[in-house]
Amino acid sequence: GAVVSQHPSWVICKSGTSVKIECRSLDFQATTMFWYRQFPKQSLMLMATSNEGSKATYEQGVEKDKFLINHASLTLSTLTVTSAHPEDSSFYICSASARGRETQYFGPGTRLLVL
Amino acid sequence: QKEVEQDPGPLSVPEGAIVSLNCTYSNSAFQYFMWYRQYSRKGPELLMYTYSSGNKEDGRFTAQVDKSSKYISLFIRDSQPSDSATYLCAMLTGGGNKLTFGTGTQLKVEL
Repeated sequence: GAVVSQHPSWVICKSGTSVKIECRSLDFQATTMFWYRQFPKQSLMLMATSNEGSKATYEQGVEKDKFLINHASLTLSTLTVTSAHPEDSSFYICSASARGRETQYFGPGTRLLVL
Repeated sequence: QKEVEQDPGPLSVPEGAIVSLNCTYSNSAFQYFMWYRQYSRKGPELLMYTYSSGNKEDGRFTAQVDKSSKYISLFIRDSQPSDSATYLCAMLTGGGNKLTFGTGTQLKVEL
């Protein structure tokens, strides 16, 4: 149990375009989902926390207008990178937790390359 | 000083060795302790989850938490090449939902 999927697993796009990444909890209801960014050989950096049906809470320094997060259902959250630039190239990972549970289960990640 | 300190390694051991991975922390409010394994270019996979002090065993893995020393450990017995990965410790305060991660220790188990 506790499986989280992400789609796509990798994406290459041109500078200026927008990219949407989906995160789904496959076998449990995810009341809270998290979006992380990871640079090579570094730990995970939390970008934002979203609760189902509420606006996301962004970490300091993360532009909410650039990284749009939607958590419309208990099994789906999306991250849209708007007007992507090469510096947005990174590994994006989502995680999900169920109500009253402390553990977070991570998706397999999405590798974004902006040319 | 970081809230969670973890030696980044790399740590190289022969197959069959016992591996000890450790983290120290400074925030006494942490109550939940987790170990994740992350293979290259993959998302982290939850290995062990412990609440407060004590030991927990699952197969070849044993997690230990010593809250008095603010020190947690993960032991891997009979290590295998497939255990080669980065191991991340993560912690959570009571009532909180944001994980605080260590930097991760890169482990290589050699044949």
